[in-house]
Amino acid sequence: DPKIIQKPKYLVAVTGSEKILICEQYLGHNAMYWYRQSAKKPLEFMFSYSYQKLMDNQTASSRFQPQSSKKNHLDLQITALKPDDSATYFCASSPLSYEQYFGPGTRLTVL
Amino acid sequence: GQQVQQSPASLVLQEGENAELQCNFSSTATRLQWFYQRPGGSLVSLLSNPSGTKHTGRLTSTTVTKERRGSLHISSSQITDSGTYLCAMEPGANTGKLTFGHGTILRVHP
Repeated sequence: DPKIIQKPKYLVAVTGSEKILICEQYLGHNAMYWYRQSAKKPLEFMFSYSYQKLMDNQTASSRFQPQSSKKNHLDLQITALKPDDSATYFCASSPLSYEQYFGPGTRLTVL
Repeated sequence: GQQVQQSPASLVLQEGENAELQCNFSSTATRLQWFYQRPGGSLVSLLSNPSGTKHTGRLTSTTVTKERRGSLHISSSQITDSGTYLCAMEPGANTGKLTFGHGTILRVHP
């Protein structure tokens, strides 16, 4: 059974719209993260949360908002989508500052 | 900002040969973590260690944080080892942030 679930696997959106990427982990970890991988770029850290509190935010744009409704959930809301937001978004979890485990990713395409 | 440099960018091996992948980072790290990225994109954690040497199966990770470098040794390579290997460093500050390199693409031929 997958321990980190990301939904949807693929997502196509139009410029200016809003989408929510879902992440749930069943590893019992207290920290969760979001990363982004764009074409030709290394994986890029976006946010980290521990016990549902923001630890670090490396995303300059306020269009990206994490939402944690439960301790094992960390969704990512993206508003006013732009073509440059096209990327694969990975959710990860771990005990804070220990080995991180990644979900399968959501591939977002913005037209 | 922090940078992670991986070398070589790509590597071609005959099945059974060994591989040595390098990772250098520009600032202090509290640990390195190595990942395998499948052709479909998903990431598999291979090894994570703050310093010294760690083994699992045919993989050995060595981290020398004082010298800002690490390596991943793959012994007796197999065709199924083909893919992209990513090095990531955690700079500290206890936020869990990982900074990734561009990766080493490994091809193992029969």
